[in-house]
Amino acid sequence: GAVVSQHPSRVICKSGTSVKIECRSLDFQATTMFWYRQFPKQSLMLMATSNEGSKATYEQGVEKDKFLINHASLTLSTLTVTSAHPEDSSFYICSARGTDNLSGANVLTFGAGSRLTVL
Amino acid sequence: GDSVTQMEGPVTLSEEAFLTINCTYTATGYPSLFWYVQYPGEGLQLLLKATKADDKGSNKGFEATYRKETTSFHLEKGSVQVSDSAVYFCALSTDSWGKLQFGAGTQVVVTP
Repeated sequence: GAVVSQHPSRVICKSGTSVKIECRSLDFQATTMFWYRQFPKQSLMLMATSNEGSKATYEQGVEKDKFLINHASLTLSTLTVTSAHPEDSSFYICSARGTDNLSGANVLTFGAGSRLTVL
Repeated sequence: GDSVTQMEGPVTLSEEAFLTINCTYTATGYPSLFWYVQYPGEGLQLLLKATKADDKGSNKGFEATYRKETTSFHLEKGSVQVSDSAVYFCALSTDSWGKLQFGAGTQVVVTP
């Protein structure tokens, strides 16, 4: 079935470094990717929406130069947190919308999330 | 703007107990409503959904009814199992693209 593989599941980095999180769609073409972040005890907040081959659309208040999103193919999207700082520590999760390769049905599937800790 | 409010957790209960997780929403227009579940180490999975007022979504013994008059979509299960231990998210969508507005999530812990 349609699955999104997200990794790394956990990452710890030093302040000032950049971290890349990947989401790969398995068995379906991810035409649209959504990136969310979640602070403890708070809602998942949509950061940006990206369509394959296009620039991402960022939600209000999300710095596009800090959170770089690439969606160059129908099976891969990446989120890069540039020059990470402790306040960027959060849980990041992707979801992908697309068409199942076998059934042709529309799917919306989530990755398992990535826990980022910036020291 | 659109928002979803759900009860805080953790909710701890014994096996075979009745579970209710409250969820209310504010939205312009007529949203679709969802419950997602996240088991440890896994992605969010769609549990059930309802697309219009008075619709009842159901799956795996869970139910939720879209109540427009009270802007609610409470999740219920009559007899929980240990395997139901997870985090449950209430969400709404007002478009067809898959953009979701989530509640904060409620952790449910079921003990034997």
